[in-house]
Amino acid sequence: GQNIDQPTEMTATEGAIVQINCTYQTSGFNGLFWYQQHAGEAPTFLSYNVLDGLEEKGRFSSFLSRSKGYSYLLLKELQMKDSASYLCAVRDRDTDKLIFGTGTRLQVFP
Amino acid sequence: DTEVTQTPKHLVMGMTNKKSLKCEQHMGHRAMYWYKQKAKKPPELMFVYSYEKLSINESVPSRFSPECPNSSLLNLHLHALQPEDSALYLCASSQDPAETRVQPQHFGDGTRLSIL
Repeated sequence: GQNIDQPTEMTATEGAIVQINCTYQTSGFNGLFWYQQHAGEAPTFLSYNVLDGLEEKGRFSSFLSRSKGYSYLLLKELQMKDSASYLCAVRDRDTDKLIFGTGTRLQVFP
Repeated sequence: DTEVTQTPKHLVMGMTNKKSLKCEQHMGHRAMYWYKQKAKKPPELMFVYSYEKLSINESVPSRFSPECPNSSLLNLHLHALQPEDSALYLCASSQDPAETRVQPQHFGDGTRLSIL
């Protein structure tokens, strides 16, 4: 079976750093993806990890530990426009399906 | 703007109507997906097409009927829907299902569907 957990809500201040955690339990693993979704809009692909370690893309970084079933998304120099939901999704190795977590709603305050 | 285009953006229909949602991508992607998303919930997979053939149907009721006329187009035909079917319907595509390399799915902006 599949189980993906993320915090439901987080708040942070403009200019700060925030880390959004994701833990997963899957029968087969073939990559972990992070998406950003603003209210009423499409999910936008941010990053993915298939091997252990840190992937950096500008203000966003994502980390994966396959042995621990753990990932995090790190957002630096927060901006008001970063207020959105952040979805962690795991690709199942056997079915190729993308299984989404419930998402973390981030609010950035001035 | 996304590279996956969905029309219409909004749709209101009665329970006896027949309508279709359309999705188009010109990125040469060979896998296309339909998802349903309710408010404050993650997207739920409905259908997957791989090389224009239906490869996954997540036990979706028959009142939803997908169609893939060619590699760039994906339709979702709707008939006799229920009020609980009101949701955001998202289309997505990814590069090549045969590739072992992990590829992200790219989403369209969705169609917000309301059933009266």
